[in-house]
Formats: sequence, structure tokens, C-alpha cells
Amino acid sequence: SQQGEEDPQALSIQEGENATMNCSYKTSINNLQWYRQNSGRGLVHLILIRSNEREKHSGRLRVTLDTSKKSSSLLITASRAADTASYFCATDAGNNDMRFGAGTRLTVKP
Amino acid sequence: DAGVIQSPRHEVTEMGQEVTLRCKPISGHNSLFWYRQTMMRGLELLIYFNNNVPIDDSGMPEDRFSAKMPNASFSTLKIQPSEPRDSAVYFCASSFQTEHLAKNIQYFGAGTRLSVL
Repeated sequence: SQQGEEDPQALSIQEGENATMNCSYKTSINNLQWYRQNSGRGLVHLILIRSNEREKHSGRLRVTLDTSKKSSSLLITASRAADTASYFCATDAGNNDMRFGAGTRLTVKP
Repeated sequence: DAGVIQSPRHEVTEMGQEVTLRCKPISGHNSLFWYRQTMMRGLELLIYFNNNVPIDDSGMPEDRFSAKMPNASFSTLKIQPSEPRDSAVYFCASSFQTEHLAKNIQYFGAGTRLSVL
């Protein structure tokens, strides 16, 4: 069953703009991960943030985690058409108990 | 490494037929996961193996589904008999787990798109 719930379900922006996606979850976690899925392909791991971290950066990606609110956000800065994909958050509660959300479909228009 | 390899990429079959999906995990990984993805239900974990042993199969929809991992480099997911509602994309993923490694980064294959007519 899913745990993470992404918001919004779909997001359409212009190239160069920033894209923000949110994820809420319900139970305690060891870490939270974000994955990207291009159409017709498998999921690809983007970034992991541990439960004791509040913010993490990787290139144009910025992830925040608020364990008190059980929420996370993924910010993609200066978006490109190639960023068009679905983005999933995944909560890892340990013991291989990892749950994926329903995803946010991002469209970046050139 | 070539990554997680799944075969076939596409499978079209008729209701009632047996379907076997195959997966080769990344060499050295000790955990393997089977997922099903549909528009309606999203990404669902069906079963996962640790060191070739099935750990949690609570996600397997019903007895028509079975999975095996005879060795560290190969796993199968079988559906017998198949039904139209089994139509979905099936993903295999692998990861390296240790008791002290507090993260579970999964590497996904390209998936098998199954259509049951």
C-alpha cells in the first residue's frame, strides 16, 4: 500500500521556472527518497534525505524534510524540458519497508 | 554494470495463459523487489527477497501469482492463469542491504509491459 502522497498530481511549467513538489506521509521513517520516472522507463533514484536531516542539495535539486509535519518537498530549480517526468517520493521505515507515493507528473514546456 | 535487466520488455497474451517475467538483479545486490504499476493503483510492491529468500509476499494479489529466486542472479514472477486485470507494467528492482546500512536505494529495471487480452 502507498504511504507517501504527492501534491500536486500534475504540474506544468515553462522552461527556466522552478518546480516544487510535496510529499506527505503517515508513519515514522528512517529516510525519505525521491525518484524520477521517464515515460516507459523504470524509476531512477534522485536523492535521499535521512530522518535527522532537514535539507539536502544535489545539483539543481533541493529536498527538505519536516518530520514533525511528516512532509517533504522537492524543488527543481531552473527547470529544463528534459526534467519532464513523473516524480515519486518513497518512505523507508527500515527492514525493506519502503512505500512509494502516487507521483507528480511534471511537464516542462520549452 | 548493465543494471537490472528484465525480460521480456513487452508481453501480450490471452486470458488463461501462463506468463513468466524474468529479472536479473545488479551483481552484488542482495535484495530484490517485484512491483506492479497501473494508473489506478500506482506502484505496488508485490514481493521482495533478501539473500534469495522471500521475506514479504503480502502484496501478491492472489494465488495465481508466484515468484521465485533460485539464485542471487535470477528471479521470476509467474502468473497462472493470467486475467485481463493483470495488465500492467511489472518492475523488478534490486538493492544492497546490510543490518547497519540505514538506507535502501533501489535500482529499477526498465519493466515488462503485460497486456492480457
